[in-house]
Amino acid sequence: DTEVTQTPKHLVMGMTNKKSLKCEQHMGHRAMYWYKQKAKKPPELMFVYSYEKLSINESVPSRFSPECPNSSLLNLHLHALQPEDSALYLCASSHDLQVAYGYTFGSGTRLTVV
Amino acid sequence: KNQVEQSPQSLIILEGKNCTLQCNYTVSPFSNLRWYKQDTGRGPVSLTIMTFSENTKSNGRYTATLDADTKQSSLHITASQLSDSASYICVVSAMWEDTDKLIFGTGTRLQVFP
Repeated sequence: DTEVTQTPKHLVMGMTNKKSLKCEQHMGHRAMYWYKQKAKKPPELMFVYSYEKLSINESVPSRFSPECPNSSLLNLHLHALQPEDSALYLCASSHDLQVAYGYTFGSGTRLTVV
Repeated sequence: KNQVEQSPQSLIILEGKNCTLQCNYTVSPFSNLRWYKQDTGRGPVSLTIMTFSENTKSNGRYTATLDADTKQSSLHITASQLSDSASYICVVSAMWEDTDKLIFGTGTRLQVFP
């Protein structure tokens, strides 16, 4: 298995809703990442987990809450989002933080906040 | 400042033609350079990855070159197909504080017409 699987593929939520994005990989990778990508812009790093511990938080608002329950799974919990948070959310994984090879992106979750 | 610049911003070519995309970077300390293909609304898919010592790498009809002295890379697409229509992103990695950090270019949007 050489894939990073993200669910759901599409999500529409209201500003008062609570939802979660899920990311899963079975490549034995120990680093996992969340990115946010707006249309026609490059991905922006949000969070990095290394060996199930939060390693980097790029000053992301607290309405985004990451969680890494185990080495294969990464969640992003969403609460009280704003319309400007609508974007493509990408998950990625790599062997670890120091290994260049194997950096793999998921196909993304298209989030719309109404 | 660490930057990755790509040109052109957009490109239109006819099916069957060749094209070359450019990437210039000012990233230090350099770790590796990757080219990704990203379809609209989907996650980036890796095409090639090159380290400092590699000058060229091919993946089917895609050939990437790297000149580490001038800090330039190119992606050449041979015999373009309609399915090549996508954004192509140059990503340069720098090793900071034991972490391989990715710096994304803004991409070249390629459209292939019949």
